[in-house]
Amino acid sequence: AQKVTQAQTEISVVEKEDVTLDCVYETRDTTYYLFWYKQPPSGELVFLIRRNSFDEQNEISGRYSWNFQKSTSSFNFTITASQVVDSAVYFCALLASGNTPLVFGKGTRLSVIA
Amino acid sequence: NAGVTQTPKFRILKIGQSMTLQCTQDMNHNYMYWYRQDPGMGLKLIYYSVGAGITDKGEVPNGYNVSRSTTEDFPLRLELAAPSQTSVYFCASRGRGTGELFFGEGSRLTVL
Repeated sequence: AQKVTQAQTEISVVEKEDVTLDCVYETRDTTYYLFWYKQPPSGELVFLIRRNSFDEQNEISGRYSWNFQKSTSSFNFTITASQVVDSAVYFCALLASGNTPLVFGKGTRLSVIA
Repeated sequence: NAGVTQTPKFRILKIGQSMTLQCTQDMNHNYMYWYRQDPGMGLKLIYYSVGAGITDKGEVPNGYNVSRSTTEDFPLRLELAAPSQTSVYFCASRGRGTGELFFGEGSRLTVL
């Protein structure tokens, strides 16, 4: 069975602080994809990143970075120098091989305070 | 690029009424999904489809039905609406092999 755990329900930081959102996943498949989505207060779901199970390189995109570690089954997301516009709910998700649907974590609500 | 289009965006139903949420995608994606998101909560999978003519239940299928007669369309039918079905409904699609899920803008349904 596939499972995604986002243990942090809510996080609150002051603007310009760095913040890491944790994501731990479970799957028996050797081929899988991991995702992060952002849901701002306006409600839409915005794709941030996809990582496949064979690529453990960390990725950086501006103030966003992702740390994928298969040894700990984690795919953590760090926002550097957070801004108020980063306030949103962030979802981690897992797609295993075959026709299984995407499995989402319960989300982490990030509030960045000015 | 239209992507995934959901209609209506907002709807208020009375208890016991029925309605269909429409979902269309123009990306020729095989996989389509319906999720619901209750206030302050995460996404729960209602139904999904891996191709035309094939549908399967997700985590919370009770009270809903779907059909997939074409690749483009994946309507969600609510029969005998109940207050517990008050939620935001998201339709999504993905192509084979790419993985990324494309979401519609959501349909906010209130059952009174």
